[in-house]
Amino acid sequence: GQQLNQSPQSMFIQEGEDVSMNCTSSSIFNTWLWYKQDPGEGPVLLIALYKAGELTSNGRLTAQFGITRKDSFLNISASIPSDVGIYFCAGQLPSNTGKLIFGQGTTLQVKP
Amino acid sequence: GAVVSQHPSWVICKSGTSVKIECRSLDFQATTMFWYRQFPKQSLMLMATSNEGSKATYEQGVEKDKFLINHASLTLSTLTVTSAHPEDSSFYICSARRPGRDTGELFFGEGSRLTVL
Repeated sequence: GQQLNQSPQSMFIQEGEDVSMNCTSSSIFNTWLWYKQDPGEGPVLLIALYKAGELTSNGRLTAQFGITRKDSFLNISASIPSDVGIYFCAGQLPSNTGKLIFGQGTTLQVKP
Repeated sequence: GAVVSQHPSWVICKSGTSVKIECRSLDFQATTMFWYRQFPKQSLMLMATSNEGSKATYEQGVEKDKFLINHASLTLSTLTVTSAHPEDSSFYICSARRPGRDTGELFFGEGSRLTVL
């Protein structure tokens, strides 16, 4: 089946540093989504991308939909302690069933 | 923004009993809801697609008789874990999409943690 390869698996950074994570796939997606999940809670949508090449920002977060439609990255600038959590990329296939395929997640830890 | 709510947020039950988890869309009507399962330190795995007024569509390897899904109204889907066993212990999360939206943008509930003793 389709898979999303998300990297890195985990990151431990100093407060104030910038962070970058990415997802790649062998399949083409028509939508890329980035979610953050805190322990014991459901994922919260951070950014949604709908067009190849699209670059979208949400505060300190910036994400891009790759030109090939097979990849996406998420950048977090000037990290703060509350950025701690697990970040997931998710993609929707062109079949448009509404189902999402999730990456394995990137665990972010921020040292104050 | 959209709000999806689950209940209960956590439940502990004895092996062999059945447990029902509710998923509600609070400010929109959802013709389609999705149920995911997440084990510790792992990603979300889609279990089934819940369709209002019709049978749910299960992913390969998910037992439909074990995980009963009912989507009786446009704001409520339920997942019943029947004859639960310890290996069913997991974090169950539902999600929903507004009707008419083709973007695939899904909103997730808070999750329900099931522990089977």
